[in-house]
Amino acid sequence: GNSVTQMEGPVTLSEEAFLTINCTYTATGYPSLFWYVQYPGEGLQLLLKATKADDKGSNKGFEATYRKETTSFHLEKGSVQVSDSAVYFCALSNSGAGSYQLTFGKGTKLSVIP
Amino acid sequence: DADVTQTPRNRITKTGKRIMLECSQTKGHDRMYWYRQDPGLGLRLIYYSFDVKDINKGEISDGYSVSRQAQAKFSLSLESAIPNQTALYFCATEDRVSETQYFGPGTRLLVL
Repeated sequence: GNSVTQMEGPVTLSEEAFLTINCTYTATGYPSLFWYVQYPGEGLQLLLKATKADDKGSNKGFEATYRKETTSFHLEKGSVQVSDSAVYFCALSNSGAGSYQLTFGKGTKLSVIP
Repeated sequence: DADVTQTPRNRITKTGKRIMLECSQTKGHDRMYWYRQDPGLGLRLIYYSFDVKDINKGEISDGYSVSRQAQAKFSLSLESAIPNQTALYFCATEDRVSETQYFGPGTRLLVL
C-alpha cells in the first residue's frame, strides 16, 4: 500500500534560518507528491506539488524536488519567517495505481522565533 | 465567502448521542472527503464520494456514516458518539484534474 513518512517534530528555528523537513514515501508506480500547510486554527491548504520524477514544486520561497531514486520529497526554505510557523504535511496521490485518496504523513510542527 | 464551509465549527456532545457534521462547497467539484485529525496521527480518511451516487469507505469508517445530498453537500454522522471520536474533523473537495484538495476550516468535536 501507499505510505508517507516525515520527520518528527516539533521543529524550532530562529528567523532567517534554513529549513529542511524530510519526507519519504512508499508507493507503486508514479504517484503525485504534495506538501500541505496548516496555519493555527485553519484547515490545510496546498503549498506545492510535483507530479513526476525530477519535478520541482515551489511556492512562497519553499521548494521540494521529486526524487524517485530515493523516494523522497523533502521540503526546504532558505530563510524562514515567523509567519511560516505552522504544521506541514507531506502527502501522495496514486490515482495511476487505482488509489484516489491522499495519503498523509503525520505532520511536522514548525515554530519560528524572532 | 469561503469555498468549503463546515458547520458547526465547535460541538460538545455526550456519549451515545447522534450528531451530524455538515459540509458545503461552492467549487463545483464532484469529489468530496471527510477526514479526522488527531495529535501525532496526521489526517485519516473516514469516507469519500466521487459523485452523488458514489460513496466509499476510507481507512477508519467504523462508527461513522455519510450522506451526499447534492454535489455541493456532504454530511458526516456519528450514530452513537463515543469519547474516542473526540477530534478535529475536516471536509475537503478535490479538483480531479490537478489532484489538489481544498479543505474546510474544520469542526472541533468533543464527546464527553
